[in-house]
Amino acid sequence: GENVEQHPSTLSVQEGDSAVIKCTYSDSASNYFPWYKQELGKRPQLIIDIRSNVGEKKDQRIAVTLNKTAKHFSLHITETQPEDSAVYFCAASNPPNNDMRFGAGTRLTVKP
Amino acid sequence: GAGVSQSPRYKVAKRGRDVALRCDSISGHVTLYWYRQTLGQGSEVLTYSQSDAQRDKSGRPSGRFSAERPERSVSTLKIQRTEQGDSAVYLCASSYKSGGGYTFGSGTRLTVV
Repeated sequence: GENVEQHPSTLSVQEGDSAVIKCTYSDSASNYFPWYKQELGKRPQLIIDIRSNVGEKKDQRIAVTLNKTAKHFSLHITETQPEDSAVYFCAASNPPNNDMRFGAGTRLTVKP
Repeated sequence: GAGVSQSPRYKVAKRGRDVALRCDSISGHVTLYWYRQTLGQGSEVLTYSQSDAQRDKSGRPSGRFSAERPERSVSTLKIQRTEQGDSAVYLCASSYKSGGGYTFGSGTRLTVV
């Protein structure tokens, strides 16, 4: 089955700096890679996703890159703000059952 | 409703007792997961189900954890003989089978005393 690893487990950056979180997956059949943001006491929310036919996707300050050959994908947050502080989870999903596996999460702290 | 809801929001159980947690997912969603979140281990898959299966497949840890879907949009996670290590937040998440993002419930915080 799929196995997803996420690094780092904690990340602290200064406001305005960039943050990068990396994930690797094991199943080459995985074709959908979402990222979730979970603020303290709240449910995970989908913030961006990418499919395997695309190498990069950007949405304002957030971008995700995918390297299918190396089986890794990354979340990039630029110009970080204190409200970006949360736990971020990556996930990988593969057909035909849409079976999804999550990384262990990265706790991002943005210091003002 | 428009989202995934879970009940109860908080649950305190005495060690050794069985507990049942409920998830009401979105109409039309087929795939449903139960996850457990702890500070040290992130999100751990407990069970998942596809289509009309009434009894979910067990993820890990298996044995004491099972889930049933008496209706397609309702799932009940059952934990037998609770242990203190079961204290965690339990999240359910559902999705259309055709793929795409999952919608999460707000979770149930279980404390085993």
